[in-house]
Amino acid sequence: AQKVTQAQTEISVVEKEDVTLDCVYETRDTTYYLFWYKQPPSGELVFLIRRNSFDEQNEISGRYSWNFQKSTSSFNFTITASQVVDSAVYFCALSGISGYSTLTFGKGTMLLVSP
Amino acid sequence: DAGVTQSPTHLIKTRGQHVTLRCSPISGHKSVSWYQQVLGQGPQFIFQYYEKEERGRGNFPDRFSARQFPNYSSELNVNALLLGDSALYLCASSFGVGNQPQHFGDGTRLSIL
Repeated sequence: AQKVTQAQTEISVVEKEDVTLDCVYETRDTTYYLFWYKQPPSGELVFLIRRNSFDEQNEISGRYSWNFQKSTSSFNFTITASQVVDSAVYFCALSGISGYSTLTFGKGTMLLVSP
Repeated sequence: DAGVTQSPTHLIKTRGQHVTLRCSPISGHKSVSWYQQVLGQGPQFIFQYYEKEERGRGNFPDRFSARQFPNYSSELNVNALLLGDSALYLCASSFGVGNQPQHFGDGTRLSIL
């Protein structure tokens, strides 16, 4: 069975602070994919990144960066110089090779960025 | 290009009723998946369809059913509604299967009284 754990329920920061959202996963698949999605108050899930289990290179996209560590089964997400518009619920998700791309989500981390 | 569109946006039903939710995928996408998101939780997988065939089913009772049409749009049906079915129902589309990124609609918020 697959499982995704996001231990941080809610994080509050002040604008321009850096913030890291944690994600720990469990899977028996040797090939799998990890995702991060953002859910603003409007409800739509916005795709941020996909990473496969064979690519442990960290990735940076603007103010966003992701740290994938297979040894600790973690896929953490860092926002640098946070902005009010970053306020949302962020979900980490996992998909196995045998799952026809169905996603197993964590419970999400609500990020509140205040001015 | 239009994103994933879902209708209706909000729906109020009473226990025991039936509901049909609709989803149009992004143009060119052939796979549609349905998820249920209860307040405060992450989305849970209900169904996946690809090329009009069911390719995956989550741990939901038989009251939940779905289908995909030749134009790749999809319907989710729920019979004998229970209070616990109150949730945001999300539709996602992708070009194919095999761990491609799924793109989500705004969802249908279903409230059961």
